[in-house]
Amino acid sequence: QQQVKQSPQSLIVQKGGISIINCAYENTAFDYFPWYQQFPGKGPALLIAIRPDVSEKKEGRFTISFNKSAKQFSLHIMDSQPGDSATYFCATATGRRALTFGSGTRLQVQP
Amino acid sequence: GAVVSQHPSWVICKSGTSVKIECRSLDFQATTMFWYRQFPKQSLMLMATSNEGSKATYEQGVEKDKFLINHASLTLSTLTVTSAHPEDSSFYICSARGDSTDTQYFGPGTRLTVL
Repeated sequence: QQQVKQSPQSLIVQKGGISIINCAYENTAFDYFPWYQQFPGKGPALLIAIRPDVSEKKEGRFTISFNKSAKQFSLHIMDSQPGDSATYFCATATGRRALTFGSGTRLQVQP
Repeated sequence: GAVVSQHPSWVICKSGTSVKIECRSLDFQATTMFWYRQFPKQSLMLMATSNEGSKATYEQGVEKDKFLINHASLTLSTLTVTSAHPEDSSFYICSARGDSTDTQYFGPGTRLTVL
């Protein structure tokens, strides 16, 4: 059972544009929603995370939008740069249990 | 942020041999460590969860006798792939979490190639 559906699978954005990646979940018990960035051959690095008591969180150029009723959350990367080219994973967790990852989105930011 | 290291970063071994991968939390005490496996162009799949001093909890479909996990201290967990076969070739990644946070910090991963 795929508990977290992530889209799109791949994304090409021009430098300076906005990258948007979406995730939908099924289990309403999830209460922790992080986004990770992974470069080839490296481990994932935490970008930003949100809890369901807020609808939006912003850190620098990265923003999470959270819609509890729709069971969806998204990552927005403002002013996308070529250095942002990587694979992005959304994830979910209940309490302090292990993360369940989405399928990943390959982002390519063209100069 | 907290730092998690893995050793080795890559390893090549012959089929039938065993390989040990170490995961260390360098600047915090990791009460819980997780082991994931990632195949090329795929997502991370949880293999097992280990709490310091306790037996690991394995996910369905993961052979506990093949993937031995030890979490003997608050800063070290090891994954031993026993009698490795080519289908075990993958990218193995650990993560660690302290007692006072929900944040998981990931190691850099270990690339295992079984010939």
